Amino acid sequence: DVVLTQSPLSLTVTLGQPASISCRSSQSLVSSGGNTYLNWFHQRPGQPPRRLIYTVSNWDSRVPDRFSGSGSDTDFTLKISRVEAEDVGVYYCMQGSHWPRTFGQGTKVEIK
Amino acid sequence: EVQLLESGGDLVQPGGSLRLSCVGSGFTFSNYDMSWVRQAAGEGLEWVSGITGSGGTSYYADSGEGRFTVSRDNSRNTLYLQMNSLRAEDTAVYYCTRGMTTPDYWGQGTLVTVSS
Repeated sequence: DVVLTQSPLSLTVTLGQPASISCRSSQSLVSSGGNTYLNWFHQRPGQPPRRLIYTVSNWDSRVPDRFSGSGSDTDFTLKISRVEAEDVGVYYCMQGSHWPRTFGQGTKVEIK
Repeated sequence: EVQLLESGGDLVQPGGSLRLSCVGSGFTFSNYDMSWVRQAAGEGLEWVSGITGSGGTSYYADSGEGRFTVSRDNSRNTLYLQMNSLRAEDTAVYYCTRGMTTPDYWGQGTLVTVSS
């Protein structure tokens, strides 16, 4: 199975400051069709996850544009340009290129 | 508005069975692959199973292979997960999601507890 390793596992950020989370894959996430299906999700306590970014860098229009994704092959990054209070929770990367689908361990974000 | 509503979670004894359901609305259900993802209390997300829009092909994580069966009834806009030989480690909130590659909508989840 593809192993996704996130870092850091915990992050404390000052309001208005940027934040960055890394997701590294144990193998290339370029699919047989040539797309790279690396997605990012945010989960607040007691809520289901919601998608932030799909296919590496495509921003889900339902979320604020301060979230962005980048990367390629095995190395990916989620960036928050200016952290707001509502951004607390756990962030997960997920790969949809190989079976079975797998998630990273999660990164917990707190506000300082 | 896209909505996914899971049901069927319950307390069940080890070795028992349970069938989860997920009703989709606000979109053409048969046009979309669907997945089940679970989350044990205080833990991360684990993809469980997925099925194509037609229902013709299904996929499973190793943890459920041979014990879980995913299916769908597109005439009822409903996704199912039949779980047999349940173990304590299957205790989790089970989420229904739209899509297998880039899941875009998630239900609120249904709680499955396996305990004697």
